[in-house]
Amino acid sequence: GESVGLHLPTLSVQEGDNSIINCAYSNSASDYFIWYKQESGKGPQFIIDIRSNMDKRQGQRVTVLLNKTVKHLSLQIAATQPGDSAVYFCAESSNTGRRALTFGSGTRLQVQP
Amino acid sequence: GAVVSQHPSWVICKSGTSVKIECRSLDFQATTMFWYRQFPKQSLMLMATSNEGSKATYEQGVEKDKFLINHASLTLSTLTVTSAHPEDSSFYICSAESSTDTQYFGPGTRLTVL
Repeated sequence: GESVGLHLPTLSVQEGDNSIINCAYSNSASDYFIWYKQESGKGPQFIIDIRSNMDKRQGQRVTVLLNKTVKHLSLQIAATQPGDSAVYFCAESSNTGRRALTFGSGTRLQVQP
Repeated sequence: GAVVSQHPSWVICKSGTSVKIECRSLDFQATTMFWYRQFPKQSLMLMATSNEGSKATYEQGVEKDKFLINHASLTLSTLTVTSAHPEDSSFYICSAESSTDTQYFGPGTRLTVL
């Protein structure tokens, strides 16, 4: 069935380095994508979103890139900090269908001080 | 803004009892809320879509008679796990959809069934 998946289950980076978390999706009808951060025992926290009419969107220290041709999504975190350590999920939905989110399997980001 | 709360944050119950979990949007109205379940080290899986004033829509494999959902107001949805069993132990998370279609998540409820 349709799914959203990730390439790397765990990513370890040094404090101050840039981090890149990748996500592949398979539903060609998906037109809305979101990145969430989840700390242990907490609910997902919205980071940044992007719609399919864009290929790049920037926030504070974060950038999301969308490549619809290869159905690939990435989250870039600049100057990674220890507080960025968490599990990151990509999620997608389609405004032409149900609006519920389909989540990827998650990537754990470990920031080494 | 866009804060979603859940109550309780954790609950321990005996097998066979029912547990109610509340999800509230504190500073916005949400005609649609979603309920997810997350097992340890796994991703979130959608259980059902809760629509204010109408019946919930359940995902395939989710028993509607076991997981009762009520969305009686624009700021409150409840999930009741009936006759809970140890296999129902999980992290239950709700989300509320804002007017801009962004979903904001609650902090989750940890359910442990003994």
